[in-house]
Formats: sequence, C-alpha cells, structure tokens
Amino acid sequence: SYELTQPPSVSVSPGQTARITCSGDALPKRNLYWYHQKSGQAPVLLIYDDSKRPSGIPERVSGSSSGTMATLTISGAQEEDEGDYYCYTTDSTGNHRGVFGAGTKVTVL
Amino acid sequence: EVQLVESGGGLVQPGGSLRLSCAASGFSVSDNYMSWVRQAPGKGLEWVSVIYTYGRTFSADSVEGRFTISRDSSRNTVFLQMHSLRAEDSATYYCTRDFNWNDAGPAYWGQGALVTVSS
Repeated sequence: SYELTQPPSVSVSPGQTARITCSGDALPKRNLYWYHQKSGQAPVLLIYDDSKRPSGIPERVSGSSSGTMATLTISGAQEEDEGDYYCYTTDSTGNHRGVFGAGTKVTVL
Repeated sequence: EVQLVESGGGLVQPGGSLRLSCAASGFSVSDNYMSWVRQAPGKGLEWVSVIYTYGRTFSADSVEGRFTISRDSSRNTVFLQMHSLRAEDSATYYCTRDFNWNDAGPAYWGQGALVTVSS
C-alpha cells in the first residue's frame, strides 16, 4: 500500500520557522493536503492542492511541493501552532484510497 | 455555516454491528463528496470511506466488505454501517465534507464519535 513519510517530531522556538516534510513516490502526480490537530480536537485543514490556503488560515502558513517531497512551513511559530500535523493524498487516480502520513508532532519551546 | 455532527458511537462486542450517523447543516450532502476518517486512541489518522456526489463509493482495504458508506438526502445525513467489528476498529470516527473533485481530501471535519469494540 502507498505510504507518506513524515518526521515524528519537530521543535521550534517561538517566532522562528518550522518546516515539516512529507515524502512519497507518487507525490509528483498527486495533490497534497495538510491538517493540524490540537490535543483533544478534530483536525483542521491548513493547505490543499499542495499550496493553497483556505480562508481563515494565516499567510504565515504555507505549503510547497517539489518532486517526491512536500513541505509545510510555519513562519513566526506561536504556542497555538503546537500539535500534530498530517499530510494526506490518495494513492492513485480513479481508485480513491486515502492515505495519511503518520503525523509530525510540533513543539514550540 | 458548515456543521457536521456525528452520533451512534458506543461500546459494541467483537463481531457486532454499529451504524454511525453524520447530520450535516449549512450544505447538502448529496452535492458534496463525503468521507469517514478514524483515529485509534493515541494513534494517527486513517482514511476509511468516501461517497461521491454521483454515488460512487470507495473504502480502505482494512474495512472493505465490512463497512458501507451511504447517505440519505432527505435527512441530509451520511451513514457508516459497520459489521463484523474487531478490536482494531476501536477509534474516534470523524465525518468529513471533502472538496468536490475525485481523489480530493477533507475540507471540513465533525467533532467525532467514539467507537469501542470490546467484550
């Protein structure tokens, strides 16, 4: 089955930039989504189609993709950015099988 | 405002059945791609099933043949019928409204319904 690989954890100092990667062989052909989940809450969409921000998501959150790797960048990290981050895509066109990365725990300290 | 409210979770014995409901408001479930995503306690997210606007459905291999996603347009509700439940199906089940194109991901999430499979 298809897999997306994320680092288990990322630490960032307040005000600095956090970068979370997501890699997968099929990413050049797939659209990637990013979600943020705070403890005890439902996930929230941050980025869709690799780099698009839905309304309400601040500009300091951005997404990019190159080849088999996508990156979520959080600039000016704040305490509210702590939590788990997941990337998502589907494994092939026309045979919808959703795949989440294992998640990256972000700590702001 | 888009709202998704799951219900129907609870404790069920291994081998049993359960039906989850997702009541939607602020939009029509028949005009949107809808999915279920689950999360076992302390674990990551796992995609479960999707239903397209034209009725096509897909499910993860782990639930194929046991879980069925459906919708009732008159009640503006999406369902997840679960049979032959196993301990590893224990999780919080989230209902999502997805982007309206094939192979898209979730855009909005409900608060989740907890399912516990145990004797």
